[in-house]
Amino acid sequence: QKEVEQDPGPLSVPEGAIVSLNCTYSNSAFQYFMWYRQYSRKGPELLMYTYSSGNKEDGRFTAQVDKSSKYISLFIRDSQPSDSATYLCAMSESGGYQKVTFGTGTKLQVIP
Amino acid sequence: GAVVSQHPSRVICKSGTSVKIECRSLDFQATTMFWYRQFPKQSLMLMATSNEGSKATYEQGVEKDKFLINHASLTLSTLTVTSAHPEDSSFYICSASPGALNSGYTFGSGTRLTVV
Repeated sequence: QKEVEQDPGPLSVPEGAIVSLNCTYSNSAFQYFMWYRQYSRKGPELLMYTYSSGNKEDGRFTAQVDKSSKYISLFIRDSQPSDSATYLCAMSESGGYQKVTFGTGTKLQVIP
Repeated sequence: GAVVSQHPSRVICKSGTSVKIECRSLDFQATTMFWYRQFPKQSLMLMATSNEGSKATYEQGVEKDKFLINHASLTLSTLTVTSAHPEDSSFYICSASPGALNSGYTFGSGTRLTVV
């Protein structure tokens, strides 16, 4: 079993839809959770960074962490064609310089 | 915000030659940087952790003599792929963290290496 599981997709949605992206994990020591967006042939771009359980909102993006279920989600409201990319979840046991474990990424396509 | 610069963005080299990739933190000091490799349609695979002023820590299965890492300053880490072969062709990405709360990890733009 992988430490972090993420549905690779692809996920296709119409413009304006609400997108839900999810990851599950097995390591209960993970405390820091991140979502990255990666466009083709580019480095990942940090979207959200959260600590422990709870919700965090930033514009059209909302990250949720449920440590009891070992489940994290990223919601994208009013999705745009420019949101088409691969979304990677990532997590670490501590912040700062601790190494990060990534999911495989979900490819999202927002259709105009 | 934190910026990590990676060069070159793309390189083509002949089999048997060596290639050096640079990773710089532009507006913060990074005592630790991470080097990843990414195959098409796959996630990032951590290769090694680069530590300023000391030896890098390599992940299991990564050849330290093939992938030489040097972290000589607080803002620069280099990855040298020695005696490159076609199977080394991949997308290499570095990352670093300012270490502050809620800072996460910032990635470079990646280097596409093609060995012919």
